[in-house]
Amino acid sequence: DSGVTQTPKHLITATGQRVTLRCSPRSGDLSVYWYQQSLDQGLQFLIQYYNGEERAKGNILERFSAQQFPDLHSELNLSSLELGDSALYFCASSDGTGVQPQHFGDGTRLSIL
Amino acid sequence: GQQVMQIPQYQHVQEGEDFTTYCNSSTTLSNIQWYKQRPGGHPVFLIQLVKSGEVKKQKRLTFQFGEAKKNSSLHITATQTTDVGTYFCAGKAGGGGSYIPTFGRGTSLIVHP
Repeated sequence: DSGVTQTPKHLITATGQRVTLRCSPRSGDLSVYWYQQSLDQGLQFLIQYYNGEERAKGNILERFSAQQFPDLHSELNLSSLELGDSALYFCASSDGTGVQPQHFGDGTRLSIL
Repeated sequence: GQQVMQIPQYQHVQEGEDFTTYCNSSTTLSNIQWYKQRPGGHPVFLIQLVKSGEVKKQKRLTFQFGEAKKNSSLHITATQTTDVGTYFCAGKAGGGGSYIPTFGRGTSLIVHP
């Protein structure tokens, strides 16, 4: 158990819809990272938050947004969903922003029909 | 941008055989991390290497960081069925900013009993 909690575990929805993925980081961790994992693209970094503020952006589409709340949990919002958004979305946390191991949650499997 | 390549993509071995996966970066890395993802699971941090030429061991696993800090390897001696999974390397080029490693595509290890 990594201590990182992601909900829901599975999400099935249709094209054009909007979903919210939730992540609670490990106790004491201030940084939250979001990743997308698909078969053809591997593990792609989307965005990082540290103590409520956005710190780094990766290959995140404009249709996607995220935020980190005062209690440090984070949400990833995906809108105008397309078939290609079907993937496993992981949240990871670490206690800072420097060179540290990341602790991953179990992921949310998003299926777009 | 920075690229981290891993080979091979897949490796089938008989239980008891050795296994090696290689990680190569297009740029000099400040450090390298290794993660393991079991089938249906999430990436789990294994180890981090920082120094040029560094070698670290964890039981049957040996991790190396190249002298030029542009490549790394993970070697498993006498594989067991519990070693099955995908092994990812992740690294970031030197410089400031948040530590957002680039993940390789991973090497999937299949161990046949």
